[in-house]
Amino acid sequence: GAGVSQSPSNKVTEKGKDVELRCDPISGHTALYWYRQSLGQGLEFLIYFQGNSAPDKSGLPSDRFSAERTGGSVSTLTIQRTQQEDSAVYLCASSWGLAGSYEQYFGPGTRLTVT
Amino acid sequence: LAKTTQPISMDSYEGQEVNITCSHNNIATNDYITWYQQFPSQGPRFIIQGYKTKVTNEVASLFIPADRKSSTLSLPRVSLSDTAVYYCLVGENDYKLSFGAGTTVTVRA
Repeated sequence: GAGVSQSPSNKVTEKGKDVELRCDPISGHTALYWYRQSLGQGLEFLIYFQGNSAPDKSGLPSDRFSAERTGGSVSTLTIQRTQQEDSAVYLCASSWGLAGSYEQYFGPGTRLTVT
Repeated sequence: LAKTTQPISMDSYEGQEVNITCSHNNIATNDYITWYQQFPSQGPRFIIQGYKTKVTNEVASLFIPADRKSSTLSLPRVSLSDTAVYYCLVGENDYKLSFGAGTTVTVRA
């Protein structure tokens, strides 16, 4: 079946603009994760959803970042008033359960460039 | 959240076996050990997961000693296409796993 998809694949925006990143998880996966990866770095955990609920939002870098998930499926990560330090690849992953025990399936990522 | 330590980089040649050791001294009783592989411009991909002793699949083997304070990912007979970053993760009912910087494996002809 289809894997995790993300859109757009690339996004170039001007500093101060808002952006919206989308993730379509594998059908039936209840857990969904957002990560950020800066050039040459490891993955930085941002937020986790179990169903439509996000029990821990502490990984979001600032209050300019928000995320939601609807219908236990599609998730959107929104960055308001983008800054140059927001430039990175944003990765989404889904799994049947919690990451420690279950395999995460990653999408191809959205490369965000803030000019 | 168990902390892991792995080498920053490793070099190898085609056809050789590559072994990457990950230290996780404060692993908890119920934690699993999971390895992911990441190619440039792609998301990580699951390789293997284990709890104790040895696990083998079509891609790799995972060796875990009795004290579980470390684990070794073994890639048999690597090829150029195995050049990637390899991440070691430890956790059980965790949603916040640390991918860290991983180990960059470079396979040369």
